[in-house]
Amino acid sequence: DTAVSQTPKYLVTQMGNDKSIKCEQNLGHDTMYWYKQDSKKFLKIMFSYNNKELIINETVPNRFSPKSPDKAHLNLHINSLELGDSAVYFCASSHGTNQFFGPGTRLTVL
Amino acid sequence: DAKTTQPNSMESNEEEPVHLPCNHSTISGTDYIHWYRQLPSQGPEYVIHGLTSNVNNRMASLAIAEDRKSSTLILHRATLRDAAVYYCILMRETSGSRLTFGEGTQLTVNP
Repeated sequence: DTAVSQTPKYLVTQMGNDKSIKCEQNLGHDTMYWYKQDSKKFLKIMFSYNNKELIINETVPNRFSPKSPDKAHLNLHINSLELGDSAVYFCASSHGTNQFFGPGTRLTVL
Repeated sequence: DAKTTQPNSMESNEEEPVHLPCNHSTISGTDYIHWYRQLPSQGPEYVIHGLTSNVNNRMASLAIAEDRKSSTLILHRATLRDAAVYYCILMRETSGSRLTFGEGTQLTVNP
């Protein structure tokens, strides 16, 4: 049973396209997150939602728009993809302080 | 968020104990000390956390200095599966559970 799942695992696309990454958690957690890990392996938080409400919104271009249709899902939509968006994107969830991470989505923008 | 300092890399032999240090001299009274690890090609994984007292769980032990300005993650018997990047992170309960990752320590386990 996968606790935090993401689709797709790999995403290769052209500059300028719009793409979405989906995340689902079956842990019953209230809070979900998106993190970005760049080519230098630095992990940075992008967004956090609690009970479908945005609570953390780091300095992220507004081309990135998270959407939480319900507590178990937090999707990430990216408009007008740029080369610099290439990275591994991790979804996570928590109830309390410990976070559970998904396997990641490797996005490559050509 | 207060900063942590860890060695870039460490090496250990299989089945030997490993002590991973972390300095956090600017820690505040409400900061919890969290450890996560990231195995190759996987997402980060929670290891352990503590506030003032030493903590043990099935994965590791956490030893916290009396002044809380440093801590040590202890893997009692390293296995090849423990090879990962280990992150020491300070988290305030009021921060909305934000995890601020540093560079971490790359642990290599030799057979």
